[in-house]
Amino acid sequence: ETGVTQTPRHLVMGMTNKKSLKCEQHLGHNAMYWYKQSAKKPLELMFVYNFKEQTENNSVPSRFSPECPNSSHLFLHLHTLQPEDSALYLCASSQDGAWGANVLTFGAGSRLTVL
Amino acid sequence: GQQLNQSPQSMFIQEGEDVSMNCTSSSIFNTWLWYKQDPGEGPVLLIALYKAGELTSNGRLTAQFGITRKDSFLNISASIPSDVGIYFCAGVIQGAQKLVFGQGTRLTINP
Repeated sequence: ETGVTQTPRHLVMGMTNKKSLKCEQHLGHNAMYWYKQSAKKPLELMFVYNFKEQTENNSVPSRFSPECPNSSHLFLHLHTLQPEDSALYLCASSQDGAWGANVLTFGAGSRLTVL
Repeated sequence: GQQLNQSPQSMFIQEGEDVSMNCTSSSIFNTWLWYKQDPGEGPVLLIALYKAGELTSNGRLTAQFGITRKDSFLNISASIPSDVGIYFCAGVIQGAQKLVFGQGTRLTINP
């Protein structure tokens, strides 16, 4: 495995379900990110973890709960979501959490549909 | 509010044509990045720019960091079918320490 791997690639859930998205990076990076991509909107940053510590929470509703057990793994736990939460959720990683010279490497995304 | 204006939002061209897209802002940027996203995939980095005036090529792609540090453009020469996708600009705003993305340019190529 190389790069950034996200599972599942597709997820359909009801509003009362609990599910999790998983991200794993094999690049030796120390920072990991969750982005939300909705149609015709710019990518929205949700969370940033740097060396396993959360450094940014971009006013994300509490029904989205991130977890970063180590620098290689990142989870997004989902609970009581709304239909408007349907989107492509992208995980990314970078060398560290400094925005200046670091570029992000993205995973393929998890397409979430909330019924 | 919207900090990056990417245009055009979509392009429909013939194979072999050259393509040009740009991103502009009222803010000053320290870094400009150009990504491409294929259908069903995540964005992949094409070109990174770190200095005002910098002109960088990657095969048929050329991008420039504007002299004013408020804009960047991406050109694709002699387009081919695999160039189809969504192209995103992204930049790091000076002093803000965050990466902002444009809305994307969707490129469609007619063979």
